[in-house]
Amino acid sequence: AQSVTQLGSHVSVSEGALVLLRCNYSSSVPPYLFWYVQYPNQGLQLLLKYTTGATLVKGINGFEAEFKKSETSFHLTKPSAHMSDAAEYFCAVKGRSNYQLIWGAGTKLIIKP
Amino acid sequence: NAGVTQTPKFRILKIGQSMTLQCTQDMNHNYMYWYRQDPGMGLKLIYYSVGAGITDKGEVPNGYNVSRSTTEDFPLRLELAAPSQTSVYFCASSPRQGDTEAFFGQGTRLTVV
Repeated sequence: AQSVTQLGSHVSVSEGALVLLRCNYSSSVPPYLFWYVQYPNQGLQLLLKYTTGATLVKGINGFEAEFKKSETSFHLTKPSAHMSDAAEYFCAVKGRSNYQLIWGAGTKLIIKP
Repeated sequence: NAGVTQTPKFRILKIGQSMTLQCTQDMNHNYMYWYRQDPGMGLKLIYYSVGAGITDKGEVPNGYNVSRSTTEDFPLRLELAAPSQTSVYFCASSPRQGDTEAFFGQGTRLTVV
């Protein structure tokens, strides 16, 4: 069965520092992978996705993620954190059925001034 | 653009009461979804619809019902509310399944007491 594990329910970084949010997945089929962001009291918004092709995917707000099949990982990074990046981030993988996304538990990103 | 609109934003229900969470989208998307989000957990799919008149159960459908009489609207009905249904509910839509972005409403925070 597909599953998604996000390491760390909370990650704290200083403003200007590297952001690294970890996501590992299991999938019995070639995965479609997604990162969504949820700002306080708002719905989720797509940051980026990997379906096929280039394994380094660039998203909005300076975020990018790299699909590593050998490590079954899809970690999210940003070179320099900004206060506005404070939010909760969710990794998801398409399930066996086309309608279904399997979601990680989320990582809350805290930015220290 | 309105996107996906959910009402109400907040609601407190007493055990045994019923209510309908409203969801409407103006993007002419065929696919619509209801999720619940519990603290420390990923989103869980309650019900989904692939078009007007067609609905199906997701991972956690017990205690809920849906209907899809139009492309735009996808209400979620709670019958006999229970404390276990205290959660944040998100409605989402997408133009097709699988590899595409889902667009989310702002959520409904429901408390059952």
